[in-house]
Amino acid sequence: DIVMTQSPDSLAVSLGERATIDCKSSQSILHISNNKNYLAWYQQKPGQPPKLLIYWASTRESGVPDRFSGSGSGTDFTLTISSLQAEDVAVYYCQQYYSTLLTFGGGTKVEIK
Amino acid sequence: QVQLQESGPGLVKPSQTLSLTCTVSGGSISSGSYYWSWIRQPAGKGLEWIGRISSSGSTNYHPSLKSRVTISVDTSKNQFSLNLSSVTASDTAVYSCARSPGYCSSTSCFYFDSWGQGTLVTVSS
Repeated sequence: DIVMTQSPDSLAVSLGERATIDCKSSQSILHISNNKNYLAWYQQKPGQPPKLLIYWASTRESGVPDRFSGSGSGTDFTLTISSLQAEDVAVYYCQQYYSTLLTFGGGTKVEIK
Repeated sequence: QVQLQESGPGLVKPSQTLSLTCTVSGGSISSGSYYWSWIRQPAGKGLEWIGRISSSGSTNYHPSLKSRVTISVDTSKNQFSLNLSSVTASDTAVYSCARSPGYCSSTSCFYFDSWGQGTLVTVSS
């Protein structure tokens, strides 16, 4: 299994400030043949299903605000919320789709300070 | 805009089989190269992928659940289903169905771009 480890477990950020979430995979999820990182990020608000934010590590899903960005390659990835808004309070998950066995990170809870 | 909706019993007795159905609306389950997955989330915990199926019936399952899981598709009803046998309390979770693009430009893209709302299944006598 490819284990996905997120950090921190939770963070509190002031409105308008930057929030950064890290995700580390137990092995590289960069496919050499196409230079793509097989990583997605999701946002889950209470009582709602997860919502796709980013795929291929840095491609924003249609309709996702540009304050959300993804970066990283190989085994280390980051989701950045450039200016936290009240509606961004949620749990964020990373997911690898490099292997047939799809796995998620444990989640990071983002709150307002 | 495709929509997915889970349905099935909210309470299952230990040792019995959990059966859920996901109905797809706003698009054909057979169109494109989409794959259709089941994912679960125990209360207060993270997400666990259970398995997936293509519209042609090709399946992949989580190795730890493979002996107990069957996912099937009924294209005439635009539905796919999950059966999980010999359940125990540890199978209590919110179960969600979700869609993946499948294959994009000759590579696999098994992220989830649409999700159902999820349904809570409790295993208890």
